[in-house]
Amino acid sequence: GAVVSQHPSWVICKSGTSVKIECRSLDFQATTMFWYRQFPKQSLMLMATSNEGSKATYEQGVEKDKFLINHASLTLSTLTVTSAHPEDSSFYICSATEGGRSSIYNEQFFGPGTRLTVL
Amino acid sequence: AQSVTQLDSHVSVSEGTPVLLRCNYSSSYSPSLFWYVQHPNKGLQLLLKYTSAATLVKGINGFEAEFKKSETSFHLTKPSAHMSDAAEYFCVVSDPRTGTALIFGKGTTLSVSS
Repeated sequence: GAVVSQHPSWVICKSGTSVKIECRSLDFQATTMFWYRQFPKQSLMLMATSNEGSKATYEQGVEKDKFLINHASLTLSTLTVTSAHPEDSSFYICSATEGGRSSIYNEQFFGPGTRLTVL
Repeated sequence: AQSVTQLDSHVSVSEGTPVLLRCNYSSSYSPSLFWYVQHPNKGLQLLLKYTSAATLVKGINGFEAEFKKSETSFHLTKPSAHMSDAAEYFCVVSDPRTGTALIFGKGTTLSVSS
């Protein structure tokens, strides 16, 4: 149980285009989803927190107009990188909490990640 | 505010020898603490978690960690390393009172040689 998927797992795009990444909770309802960014050989940095049906909360330094987050249902959140540039190339990871017991301890279930390469 | 420091960026052991990955935390309140493992091209997997119950926490794959409040430490150990343990390990802290997101350490790369 508690499986989170991401799609696509790998995407290459041209500079200036937009890319959408999906994060799905497959066997539970995710009340809260998180988006992280991980540079090579570095730790995960939280980008934003989203609750179903409300606007995402962005961390300091993250451009909300560039990284659009939508959490329209309890099983799906999307991250859209708008007008992507080479510096946006990174590994994007989502996670989700299912509420109830796991949320008490803030245990998050992670997706496998999406590697974005902007040419 | 919470923070976590992983004291070693890289640890190398031989197969069959003990593993010790060190982590110190900083938190104003009793934190929740986690260890996650990340294998290449795979998602993060929870190894174990401390949530104010027993201070010695046993996790998957033979790993365990001990919460020591006096030392503000949560070191990860395993008696005997296996080749499949080679991966990136993250020590993570959160504040269960506020439901804030996880704060990750910088990670420790574990290498296991035969």
